[in-house]
Amino acid sequence: DTGVSQDPRHKITKRGQNVTFRCDPISEHNRLYWYRQTLGQGPEFLTYFQNEAQLEKSRLLSDRFSAERPKGSFSTLEIQRTEQGDSAMYLCASSLDRGSTETQYFGPGTRLLVL
Amino acid sequence: SQKIEQNSEALNIQEGKTATLTCNYTNYSPAYLQWYRQDPGRGPVFLLLIRENEKEKRKERLKVTFDTTLKQSLFHITASQPADSATYLCALDPTGANNLFFGTGTRLTVIP
Repeated sequence: DTGVSQDPRHKITKRGQNVTFRCDPISEHNRLYWYRQTLGQGPEFLTYFQNEAQLEKSRLLSDRFSAERPKGSFSTLEIQRTEQGDSAMYLCASSLDRGSTETQYFGPGTRLLVL
Repeated sequence: SQKIEQNSEALNIQEGKTATLTCNYTNYSPAYLQWYRQDPGRGPVFLLLIRENEKEKRKERLKVTFDTTLKQSLFHITASQPADSATYLCALDPTGANNLFFGTGTRLTVIP
């Protein structure tokens, strides 16, 4: 399967714990995006990378959230001191920047439940 | 404030009929608009993109229209099938950086 993959698919944690999610994009894609989706809502943009550079972050991304893409390939999203309000589906998407509009390809998501 | 609204949370139609979903936006001037399909527990899947200078775009049984004066896009599925049952999301890119802003989605159920 050469699509976007995310790991883990599900995560249950206690409030106050740290969690880390991984995203492996489609191999030739240079752009990688993170979104968050809560029940009954559309995905909300969090941040994106062009290669290894993090170019934009949403105001939704509090100081407890950090994302990296160290070698311009896979990415990690870490949430520190989780809160119940962090419970959501975390989606990763990738695209190939060819200077104009590109289609984003989404992974299956990581569903986080904070108890 | 900027908003993307999809006309209803849920839409039920009979198999074989045409489903029409609406996406309205305010305080955006997007260069293009996209439609995605999302099945439960899965990430969105891209369906169609329509640019501001295009009135209509078709792909198999799907048709999208884009009216920048009304700030509205309509998404049609003709000859609907139970397999079309899913949530359909419209998305805009307000910054031109392909950071998508999504509507809340419409959950379509096609009844056999």
